[in-house]
Amino acid sequence: DTGVSQNPRHKITKRGQNVTFRCDPISEHNRLYWYRQTLGQGPEFLTYFQNEAQLEKSRLLSDRFSAERPKGSFSTLEIQRTEQGDSAMYLCASSFGQGEKLFFGSGTQLSVL
Amino acid sequence: GENVGLHLPTLSVQEGDNSIINCAYSNSASDYFIWYKQESGKGPQFIIDIRSNMDKRQGQRVTVLLNKTVKHLSLQIAATQPGDSAVYFCAEKAESSASKIIFGSGTRLSIRP
Repeated sequence: DTGVSQNPRHKITKRGQNVTFRCDPISEHNRLYWYRQTLGQGPEFLTYFQNEAQLEKSRLLSDRFSAERPKGSFSTLEIQRTEQGDSAMYLCASSFGQGEKLFFGSGTQLSVL
Repeated sequence: GENVGLHLPTLSVQEGDNSIINCAYSNSASDYFIWYKQESGKGPQFIIDIRSNMDKRQGQRVTVLLNKTVKHLSLQIAATQPGDSAVYFCAEKAESSASKIIFGSGTRLSIRP
């Protein structure tokens, strides 16, 4: 399978715990994006990387959120001190070149109890 | 699991009929528009795109129409099939944005046999 891969598919955690998600983009894609999607809404942009550089972050991305792409390949999204409002589907996407055509993974569904 | 909303606008279409899904956008600076399809438990999947210097673009069984005057985008699906059942999102990108693709609210398409 050469598509975008996200792990885990589901994560249940207690409020206050830290969680980390991983995204493996399509191998030749230089751009990697994180989006968040809640019930009934379209995906909301969180941040994006071009190679290993994080070039843009949304105001939605509070200080409790951090994303890395250390070698310009896979990326991790960490949420510290999770809150119930963090419950959502976290989607990763990758693209090549100017990054207009995004290829999405199946997402990580986070439930914060 | 189900990650798209229960309260989305819904379009119900008879199998074999044509479907038309509409979208309004607000940013007159947007110059690139995309339609995505999202099935239950999956990430959004690219369907078709169009640039602002065009008003129509056709793909396989799908056509996107762009009316910049009234900032309206539509997706037409010919001969709708059961596999077309999904939530459809329009998305836009502004020329000034290097990266950010903004998703609109979705429409759930359901097919009557």
